[in-house]
Amino acid sequence: EVQLVESGGGLVQPGGSLRLSCAASGFTFSNYWMLWARQAPGKGLMLFSRIDADGSTTFYADSVQGRFTISRDNARNTLYLQMNSLSAEDSAVYYCVRDSRSGVDYWGQGTLVTVSS
Amino acid sequence: DIVMTQTPLSSPVTLGQPASISCNSSQSLVHTNGITYLSWLQQRPGQPPRLLIYEIFNRFSGVPDRFSGSGAGTDFTLKISRVEAEDVGVYYCLQTTQFPWTFGPGTKVEIK
Repeated sequence: EVQLVESGGGLVQPGGSLRLSCAASGFTFSNYWMLWARQAPGKGLMLFSRIDADGSTTFYADSVQGRFTISRDNARNTLYLQMNSLSAEDSAVYYCVRDSRSGVDYWGQGTLVTVSS
Repeated sequence: DIVMTQTPLSSPVTLGQPASISCNSSQSLVHTNGITYLSWLQQRPGQPPRLLIYEIFNRFSGVPDRFSGSGAGTDFTLKISRVEAEDVGVYYCLQTTQFPWTFGPGTKVEIK
C-alpha cells in the first residue's frame, strides 16, 4: 500500500523557517518524481514544487521560487521541503504528492503550517 | 500560467441523479507528445484530494465506473452517472501539461 506521511508542520513567526518531511512507503520511491502541494484554509489547491526521481531537476512556482527548496533522500525514502522567509500567505496544509504516469496519483494526509506572530 | 475555470462552482444534486462539471483551460492542454494531461480530483470533507480521472478519461485504480471524463483541447467534462452520498465533496480539474501545473477553483457537490 502506497503511504505518504508528512511531518514538520507547526506554528512559525513571519520571516521564520520550517522544514517539512514526507516519509514514503509501499513503492520504489527512487523511481518516481515527487511534488509538494498546499491548500490555504478554505481555499483551493496549488502544486508548487516538483523534483525528479534522482533529485537532479527541480521546479518551483513563482510564489515560492527563491524561498522554498525541495529535495529528497532516496536512501531514506524521504522527501523534504525547506521553507524560508515565511509569511502569512504561506499558511496552509502542505501535501506530499506522488507523480506517476497516471498523474498525481497519491497524496499524503497533509501537515498544517501556520505563520503568525 | 494556464488558467483553469470550472462551472458550476456549486452543484446541489438529488441522490441517484446525474451530475456534470465543466472545466475550461485558457490554452490547449495537448502536450507536444500528443497526450492531454487533464485530471480530475475529488476532495471529500476533511480529506486530502484523491485522483479520479487522468488524461481526460482514464479512471484511476479503484474509482467507480459511475465517474467518467470526456473532452478535448480546452474543454472537458466530468460526469457522475448516479450520485451517491459518498460523492459529496469538492471536485477539481487539474492540468499537468505545462508547469506550473494549475487547478480549477473547484466545484462543490452536495446533496439536495
